[in-house]
Amino acid sequence: AQSVTQPDIHITVSEGASLELRCNYSYGATPYLFWYVQSPGQGLQLLLKYFSGDTLVQGIKGFEAEFKRSQSSFNLRKPSVHWSDAAEYFCAGGNTGGFKTIFGAGTRLFVKA
Amino acid sequence: DVKVTQSSRYLVKRTGEKVFLECVQDMDHENMFWYRQDPGLGLRLIYFSYDVKMKEKGDIPEGYSVSREKKERFSLILESASTNQTSMYLCASSLTGTGNTIYFGEGSWLTVV
Repeated sequence: AQSVTQPDIHITVSEGASLELRCNYSYGATPYLFWYVQSPGQGLQLLLKYFSGDTLVQGIKGFEAEFKRSQSSFNLRKPSVHWSDAAEYFCAGGNTGGFKTIFGAGTRLFVKA
Repeated sequence: DVKVTQSSRYLVKRTGEKVFLECVQDMDHENMFWYRQDPGLGLRLIYFSYDVKMKEKGDIPEGYSVSREKKERFSLILESASTNQTSMYLCASSLTGTGNTIYFGEGSWLTVV
């Protein structure tokens, strides 16, 4: 079955430290993948997406993600976290040619001073 | 910028009431979606629509119905609200086709008492 898994329910990092949020997917065909961010009480905003081509994708707010087919992963990274990055992050994806996007359960990021 | 507007941010309704959640998008998107968001469960698709008057059930359609009479407007209806429908509801839209970005509204917090 198609699925998107975010293994970490929450993560705490210090301001200025690097960040990596994990995402694993299970799709038979070539997937398309997204990372969204949700600030408290708000809707979801797109950070970046992978559809094809270069496996390292740059997004907004200094985020990047790398598609690794061999590991079925699409992890989100940021070299230096700011306090304003505290939010919930959702990985999502689907099959190319399909119509349904599936969302992971989310990872809540806490940033400590 | 794409704008998805949900008419009510916060609602409190009584058990058994009929509830309407309204959503409007201004980018002429073919697809519109209603998701439900609960802690630890991520986003779950209730219904989506790929054209006017067309609808498809998502993963959790029980207890809900939808209406799409105009392209820009997609309504979620709770025929008889129950306490287990207390949740955050997110409306979203996208262009048709694979891998297109899904744009979200800010969400409607529904409490059923």
